Amino acid sequence: DAKTTQPPSMDCAEGRAANLPCNHSTISGNEYVYWYRQIHSQGPQYIIHGLKNNETNEMASLIITEDRKSSTLILPHATLRDTAVYYCIVRVAGSNDYKLSFGAGTTVTVRA
Amino acid sequence: GAVVSQHPSWVICKSGTSVKIECRSLDFQATTMFWYRQFPKQSLMLMATSNEGSKATYEQGVEKDKFLINHASLTLSTLTVTSAHPEDSSFYICSAREAGYSNQPQHFGDGTRLSIL
Repeated sequence: DAKTTQPPSMDCAEGRAANLPCNHSTISGNEYVYWYRQIHSQGPQYIIHGLKNNETNEMASLIITEDRKSSTLILPHATLRDTAVYYCIVRVAGSNDYKLSFGAGTTVTVRA
Repeated sequence: GAVVSQHPSWVICKSGTSVKIECRSLDFQATTMFWYRQFPKQSLMLMATSNEGSKATYEQGVEKDKFLINHASLTLSTLTVTSAHPEDSSFYICSAREAGYSNQPQHFGDGTRLSIL
């Protein structure tokens, strides 16, 4: 699976949009981008995933560039409870290998 | 939907004890479950893939005789840490994916914090 690169940390203001970048320049055409987050001392929580189209759900929006080499997770109105480590992961679509490889992620701190 | 329950959430036991951790998918069937380990200030490391009705697949460097995995039904996988020692103290997390949907996300339990004295 393609490697991803994320900034190690980000500070965000409460109530503002938080834009989390992820670089996956070696992504293949059949690899999905998944986003998870892990709040301290809990298991990871699924946020969103996409292949090439932008996606939106009740938690966030995922913007994937046209060349698919990078993506941005957008939390539209960050709250203090969004403070967590955010992981961007890519894996092959439709394969029988469902393993997820977690990198270091981005530690997001939302400040009042 | 897509809830994964892990039990117990916290275990403290003496060195040499074997500890069993359960992972259940509550509202879906999971042919595949995964077991991860996370040390303080580190990311999750995959230990093994648990397949219903067959042997688990272990990642390189993970001792299969030390970490016994059983996936006897479509909703339950167990991880047994045999003869646990202080270096096995860690945060153990399971995840499950719904059977039949190849691109659906994995859903994670809330983890088990294991402390070996």
